Amino acid sequence: QVNLLQSGAALVKPGASVKLSCKASGYTFTDYYIHWVKQSHGKSLEWIGYINPNSGYTNYNEKFKSKATLTVDKSTNTAYMELSRLTSEDSATYYCTKGTTTDYFDYWGQGVMVTVSS
Amino acid sequence: DIQMTQSPASLSASLEEIVTITCQASQDIGNWLAWYQQKPGKSPQLLIYGATSLADGVPSRFSGSRSGTQYSLKISRLQVEDPGIYYCLQGYSAPYTFGAGTKLELK
Repeated sequence: QVNLLQSGAALVKPGASVKLSCKASGYTFTDYYIHWVKQSHGKSLEWIGYINPNSGYTNYNEKFKSKATLTVDKSTNTAYMELSRLTSEDSATYYCTKGTTTDYFDYWGQGVMVTVSS
Repeated sequence: DIQMTQSPASLSASLEEIVTITCQASQDIGNWLAWYQQKPGKSPQLLIYGATSLADGVPSRFSGSRSGTQYSLKISRLQVEDPGIYYCLQGYSAPYTFGAGTKLELK
């Protein structure tokens, strides 16, 4: 069965960076994009971007282009998202989610809460 | 960016009642529309994709429809496990965008 296991919650200081991980299992990792989605507390969902695990090609939401960097490690079936220059606006739950052959997301990680605080 | 206008923002309904949630796309997105259910503290779960196709394991009381650029999610007979927040997603073009969500509660 498909599973996306995300790293644990993070408490980080303003101005710092954090790298989140998403380990995929139960399917061929390189066959489907991995997308990342942000959900601020009590708010809706925002698409951050996706990475093609096979080629490493990325496509970012313009809003997150200077904030997020997506990478993968094919040897461990793991996708990563690094968030830089963190502010309180970046405090949120972040999800990785598996794309499909058409553009929707079928399986989601459990989410990781990032709290930016001094 | 394509805007997805979702309504209502919240609704309260009784068991066995019919519930309808809509999303209006700001431009043609064809059938590139999915619906998700999110429960407190949980990840979104796929209900409908391709505007009308039921995802695996989703009860048949859920259905999706399309009329032009308006999309609807219908719950034919509300059950006790159905409350949560429902979101639409357009997968037609990046940046992919979600509706603001509809909070569904049991009356």
